[in-house]
Amino acid sequence: DAGVTQSPTHLIKTRGQHVTLRCSPISGHKSVSWYQQVLGQGPQFIFQYYEKEERGRGNFPDRFSARQFPNYSSELNVNALLLGDSALYLCASSWDGETQYFGPGTRLLVL
Amino acid sequence: EDQVTQSPEALRLQEGESSSLNCSYTVSGLRGLFWYRQDPGKGPEFLFTLYSAGEEKEKERLKATLTKKESFLHITAPKPEDSATYLCAVHPLNSGGSNYKLTFGKGTLLTVNP
Repeated sequence: DAGVTQSPTHLIKTRGQHVTLRCSPISGHKSVSWYQQVLGQGPQFIFQYYEKEERGRGNFPDRFSARQFPNYSSELNVNALLLGDSALYLCASSWDGETQYFGPGTRLLVL
Repeated sequence: EDQVTQSPEALRLQEGESSSLNCSYTVSGLRGLFWYRQDPGKGPEFLFTLYSAGEEKEKERLKATLTKKESFLHITAPKPEDSATYLCAVHPLNSGGSNYKLTFGKGTLLTVNP
């Protein structure tokens, strides 16, 4: 079975630009969560979606937004990029609400 | 506020030298504690979930234990392929409406030399 997939794998943007990251959950999983991981830190929670509804939001500015589609895939959008947004963006899916399975991540570099 | 502290930050072992990693947590109530392994540039790989004090789980050379304040990841006779960052995360009972929010520690970077 395919695991969580994310695209693109790497991305380079300049300050002020907008970026869209994509995630496909494990088949049968209805929940998708997004995390940001900067170098040397653990992942930080950004959003959680379940059945296409936002169920949770972490301490991130309104420049960050997300949505979940009818097929349970998800997009994370970041507007007005800052240098500090450079990080590994991780998507995780869950079936039972307890165990989250992570994708390989999207490495974003903002110049 | 929920907090997870992992120690040591980095650990270097010789192949076959057993040791333990520590994860201390502060939460209002614990739904579950998770251990993940993360290789450089990759996403975390799920290892274990622990739910209640006294619970233990094993997988190959790894054994995770849980008390009311901390969890330990014991590594027995490690091999070079066990080298990775090990992350601990808690799933609080009250996640502020988010059913699936995990709060992570910074991780322990384990290096096993041949």
